[in-house]
Amino acid sequence: QKEVEQDPGPLSVPEGAIVSLNCTYSNSAFQYFMWYRQYSRKGPELLMYTYSSGNKEDGRFTAQVDKSSKYISLFIRDSQPSDSATYLCAMSGYNQGGKLIFGQGTELSVKP
Amino acid sequence: EAGVTQSPTHLIKTRGQQATLRCSPISGHTSVYWYQQALGLGLQFLLWYDEGEERNRGNFPPRFSGRQFPNYSSELNVNALELEDSALYLCASSFTPGTSGYEQYFGPGTRLTVT
Repeated sequence: QKEVEQDPGPLSVPEGAIVSLNCTYSNSAFQYFMWYRQYSRKGPELLMYTYSSGNKEDGRFTAQVDKSSKYISLFIRDSQPSDSATYLCAMSGYNQGGKLIFGQGTELSVKP
Repeated sequence: EAGVTQSPTHLIKTRGQQATLRCSPISGHTSVYWYQQALGLGLQFLLWYDEGEERNRGNFPPRFSGRQFPNYSSELNVNALELEDSALYLCASSFTPGTSGYEQYFGPGTRLTVT
């Protein structure tokens, strides 16, 4: 079993839809949770960073962490064609030696 | 503010050769990380350097090595290249973990092709 599980998709939605992306994890020591966006053949771009449980909002993006369920989510409101990319969840903790553990990534396509 | 930069953008090598990849971190960041993103395998942690020292390495053979220079830039060396080393190599930088969070910022990557 992988430490971090993420549905690879692909996920296709119409423009303006609310998108929900999710990851589950098994290591209860994870404290830091991130979402990255990666366009084709580019480096990942940090979208959201959350410490421990709770919600964080930034514009059209909302990140949620539920440590009791070992489940994290990223919501994208009013999705745009420019949001079409692969979304990667990543997480770490004090005992990970600087290492981020990534999900496989979900490929998102927003159709005009 | 300039982001993480990597060079070269693309690198084509023959099996058995050596490859050298370079990374410059965001100004003020002292930690540099290297990851491999191979097709179908996701992002795999390779190495972490902080203040010039190797702090951690992932589950990769010793022919993957590197160093960090006094200006915090870093170099990844891959010796005795194998076909399966073909991948996108990503460099990330951050402040020293624990001092200002764990956010890592990635560069554009170097695409290594081994033929």
